[in-house]
Amino acid sequence: DIVMTQSPDSLAVSLGERATINCKSSQSILYTSNNKNYLAWYQQKPGQPPKVLIYGASTRESGVPDRFSGSGSGTDFTLTISSLQAEDVSVYYCQQYYTTPVTFGGGTKVEIK
Amino acid sequence: QVQLQESGPGLVKPSETLSLTCTVSGGSMNFYYWTWIRQPAGKGLEWIGRIDSSGNTNYNPSLKSRVIMSLDTSKRQISLRLSSVTAADTAVYYCARNSGYDPASWYAPWGQGALVTVSS
Repeated sequence: DIVMTQSPDSLAVSLGERATINCKSSQSILYTSNNKNYLAWYQQKPGQPPKVLIYGASTRESGVPDRFSGSGSGTDFTLTISSLQAEDVSVYYCQQYYTTPVTFGGGTKVEIK
Repeated sequence: QVQLQESGPGLVKPSETLSLTCTVSGGSMNFYYWTWIRQPAGKGLEWIGRIDSSGNTNYNPSLKSRVIMSLDTSKRQISLRLSSVTAADTAVYYCARNSGYDPASWYAPWGQGALVTVSS
């Protein structure tokens, strides 16, 4: 199985400041034939299912605010919230869909400082 | 707009079989992959497996011996059965659809989830 390791487990950021979450895969999830990274980021609020924010490592899902951005390739990826808003308090997960079993990172809890 | 809704017993006894149904409203079921994912309280997400619109399945090896998925397109339902459950199977169970026809894709939409507790 591909192991997805997120860091940190939690972080507290002041409103308007930047939040950065890292995700590392145990093997490359870059499909070389199409040069696409098979990585998605999800946001999960309490009592709700996860909601996709980013796919292909860097493509923002329709309707997702542009303060959310994804970067990285191969095995190392980052989700950045450029200016944290109160409504961004959530747990964030990365997910690889390169191969089965599909696997998720352990989650990063983002709170307001 | 496609919507998914999980349903089934919220309490299952140890050693028995957990059975859940995901009902799909709106959109077509054809050509898509349908996935079950679970999440124990306060913990991360675990992929259980998927089924395509032809009924072909792919299960997580960690659960493969206990899982059966099926679908009934006439009823617009996907079913999950997990046998010989223990307390470790207590979780919120989500059904989700692959975002596109490619099985290697992210999940959208998701159902709201169904909490299943394993206890005597």
